[in-house]
Amino acid sequence: AQSVAQPEDQVNVAEGNPLTVKCTYSVSGNPYLFWYVQYPNRGLQFLLKYITGDNLVKGSYGFEAEFNKSQTSFHLKKPSALVSDSALYFCAVRDGNSGNTPLVFGKGTRLSVIA
Amino acid sequence: ETGVTQSPTHLIKTRGQQVTLRCSSQSGHNTVSWYQQALGQGPQFIFQYYREEENGRGNFPPRFSGLQFPNYSSELNVNALELDDSALYLCASRRDRAGELFFGEGSRLTVL
Repeated sequence: AQSVAQPEDQVNVAEGNPLTVKCTYSVSGNPYLFWYVQYPNRGLQFLLKYITGDNLVKGSYGFEAEFNKSQTSFHLKKPSALVSDSALYFCAVRDGNSGNTPLVFGKGTRLSVIA
Repeated sequence: ETGVTQSPTHLIKTRGQQVTLRCSSQSGHNTVSWYQQALGQGPQFIFQYYREEENGRGNFPPRFSGLQFPNYSSELNVNALELDDSALYLCASRRDRAGELFFGEGSRLTVL
């Protein structure tokens, strides 16, 4: 079985400062890792994914994430936060060795960027 | 790219009633998944369909059931509604094994 931990319920950062949203995962097989963002009363929007290859993944809206196999982490980062980045962020994992395992989500981290 | 559409967007039911939620997947996507997202929580996996067959199910009772049709649209049916079924129900589809899920905007169900 796979699982995701997002240890912070809330992250506050000043506009223009770098931001990090933390994620650790557990999976028995090959990890496929994803980040999604959710705005109020909306569905989830895909930001980026790691399947294989370069450990640093670049995604939408200037976000990036680093896959660290030894620490089983996949933290989301952005060099300079915008007020419009304020939203709920979800990390998710599935076992890439199986075609029908579901995508499992963390409980989410609320990012608040203060002007 | 997202082209997943869900209906209805909002609905209110009473305990014991039945509800059907509908989803039209992204063109070319043959896997559809349904999730329940309670207020303040992450999405919880309900079940998944691949080419009209259920091929994965989360920890939800049998009163949660589904269908996927040849045109890759799908339905989520919930019988004997309970108050705790109040949530945002999300449909998502993906093209292939390594693909990301594309989500619809969800159907918000309120059970009174």
